[in-house]
Amino acid sequence: GAVVSQHPSWVICKSGTSVKIECRSLDFQATTMFWYRQFPKQSLMLMATSNEGSKATYEQGVEKDKFLINHASLTLSTLTVTSAHPEDSSFYICSGRTTGLEGYTFGSGTRLTVV
Amino acid sequence: GQQLNQSPQSMFIQEGEDVSMNCTSSSIFNTWLWYKQDPGEGPVLLIALYKAGELTSNGRLTAQFGITRKDSFLNISASIPSDVGIYFCAGRRDDKIIFGKGTRLHILP
Repeated sequence: GAVVSQHPSWVICKSGTSVKIECRSLDFQATTMFWYRQFPKQSLMLMATSNEGSKATYEQGVEKDKFLINHASLTLSTLTVTSAHPEDSSFYICSGRTTGLEGYTFGSGTRLTVV
Repeated sequence: GQQLNQSPQSMFIQEGEDVSMNCTSSSIFNTWLWYKQDPGEGPVLLIALYKAGELTSNGRLTAQFGITRKDSFLNISASIPSDVGIYFCAGRRDDKIIFGKGTRLHILP
């Protein structure tokens, strides 16, 4: 079945630095990629939706200049957390959309810890 | 914003017991989805429901799409230890999936 490979699985960075998270769709083309953030014991909150070759659409309250999303190809989307701060520490999960009604495949998530 | 009310928030059951959880929304969704998430992993799709009134099974799991399109339930029969985890309902409207707050399932030894 469709697989989304997400890397890294965890990362620790210093406050003020930037971190890039990659999601690759394996054996399918993800025309749309969704990025979620999940705080401990919370639900997944949609941050942004990106379509290949277009600018991402951000949900209300999500800073587009802080969370840079690139979706330059049908198999790769990246989320860059710029100038990270401790409050950005969270579990970030991507989801690729394939054709068909069930076509939402989630990555395995990235645990970001900002110290 | 859009919200899904999922209950119960957590459950403590004995192995072998049946489990039931549900989700309600103030808005209509055209698809209801149920996911399971294990610690440190992304959610995995369990069941997808596309039509109001639809009842779908996947092994020991059964889920239904409410007639009003504003609710759904998930039942797990004869629970086993590997059922432990967080279960999320999710509604799909247009291109987006909105998640409920989750139900944490604990199985007592």
